[in-house]
Amino acid sequence: GAGVSQSPRYKVTKRGQDVALRCDPISGHVSLYWYRQALGQGPEFLTYFNYEAQQDKSGLPNDRFSAERPEGSISTLTIQRTEQRDSAMYRCASSNLYRTTGELFFGEGSRLTVL
Amino acid sequence: DAKTTQPNSMESNEEEPVHLPCNHSTISGTDYIHWYRQLPSQGPEYVIHGLTSNVNNRMASLAIAEDRKSSTLILHRATLRDAAVYYCILRPEYGNKLVFGAGTILRVKS
Repeated sequence: GAGVSQSPRYKVTKRGQDVALRCDPISGHVSLYWYRQALGQGPEFLTYFNYEAQQDKSGLPNDRFSAERPEGSISTLTIQRTEQRDSAMYRCASSNLYRTTGELFFGEGSRLTVL
Repeated sequence: DAKTTQPNSMESNEEEPVHLPCNHSTISGTDYIHWYRQLPSQGPEYVIHGLTSNVNNRMASLAIAEDRKSSTLILHRATLRDAAVYYCILRPEYGNKLVFGAGTILRVKS
């Protein structure tokens, strides 16, 4: 597609439920990133992939959060047993260069609300 | 991760130049300086990046101090559409992680 696509755009769930957020990067982009953004704050790094390999997951808050990118394209961020503090905008970005100078292209985000 | 310091907010008049400062005194020799901005209700977008030399593109200019401990993003003629949060980020050459700080909220007055 033309840009990074995220789904669902909005997700409302009850505490304790599992949620899966999907990211479809720009075609051919090697690197894929997940960020979380609370209202009024900058994006918080969660994890990133080069191809299908998860290179850094140091930003995942706890073991309820996981991410995968099995075929090196679409990625899924899964949050198990959601809590109210997980409510935030979850943003995905992709980049077409393996190294750091490549600009990141962000999707429109998935807004998660945990009741 | 090397840290950057930016003012919380700045205000500018429309059609005037804007200089957004960033301090990064702990920058290492291989850190690139990146700027992103985030318009209201949108995801961040890339603005510009540099290593040592000043850089220009269609959006902005980046002026980097000789000792690289600070840099300035220059918007030559601010418009109302430039009102956004501007993030200054250091990115290691051999690391893909991009760590955002709080950024500078730029308000543009007509």
